[in-house]
Amino acid sequence: DSGVTQTPKHLITATGQRVTLRCSPRSGDLSVYWYQQSLDQGLQFLIQYYNGEERAKGNILERFSAQQFPDLHSELNLSSLELGDSALYFCASSIRAGNTIYFGEGSWLTVV
Amino acid sequence: AQKVTQAQTEISVVEKEDVTLDCVYETRDTTYYLFWYKQPPSGELVFLIRRNSFDEQNEISGRYSWNFQKSTSSFNFTITASQVVDSAVYFCALSGGGYSGGGADGLTFGKGTHLIIQP
Repeated sequence: DSGVTQTPKHLITATGQRVTLRCSPRSGDLSVYWYQQSLDQGLQFLIQYYNGEERAKGNILERFSAQQFPDLHSELNLSSLELGDSALYFCASSIRAGNTIYFGEGSWLTVV
Repeated sequence: AQKVTQAQTEISVVEKEDVTLDCVYETRDTTYYLFWYKQPPSGELVFLIRRNSFDEQNEISGRYSWNFQKSTSSFNFTITASQVVDSAVYFCALSGGGYSGGGADGLTFGKGTHLIIQP
C-alpha cells in the first residue's frame, strides 16, 4: 500500500459527459501529480500541484483541469469526454520535487 | 527535453534465469533523478528504486540490482534468479532537478518492458 488513495477505482461513462477523479496524497506529501496511462500513449505526465499551487504542466488537454485543496487532496476533472480518453489515471505524491514519487492504484475510466 | 528509452519491449525467460532490463535516458539537467517502477497485472505502479544523478554507486536489494552509468546515460536493472512473481511491466523514469532544473517536475517514463517469467 503506497498510502496514496484514489477514487473511484472504476468508472464507465458516456461520451460528452464530465467526471471527477479524486486523490488523497500520502500523509505529509505536499506534491501531487496526475498521470494518464493509455495503450497508445503510454504513461503521460498531466499536471503537478505543490501545496495548493500549480507547479508544472505536461500533456494535459484543455478539456481537463485539476486543483489541489487546502487539505492537500486533489481532483482531476475531465469534461466533454471522448472515446480516446479511456485510460488508467494515476495520482501520485511526494514530499517535494526530486523525492520518491508514490502512486495510487489508479482510476480506470472507460468512455462508451 | 527529457527522454527515456527502454528498447526491450518484451522479454521472456525461464524461472531462475537472470535477466537485465535496459534503460537509456537523455536530459540536459545537471541534477536529475532516475526511478524504476513495477506494474503487475493488477495495474498499480510499485516503486522499486530512486537514484540521483550524483550517486553512481550500484545498488543491490535482494535479487534486484541496479547499474547506473552516467558516462553512457544508462540505468539498467537486473533480476537474479527470476521468479514467476517477477512477471510484470517494468518502467524506467526520469525527473528533473525540481526547483533547480527546468521543465516539469513530473516523471518522464519509458515505454516499459514486459517481463514474462515462465515456470
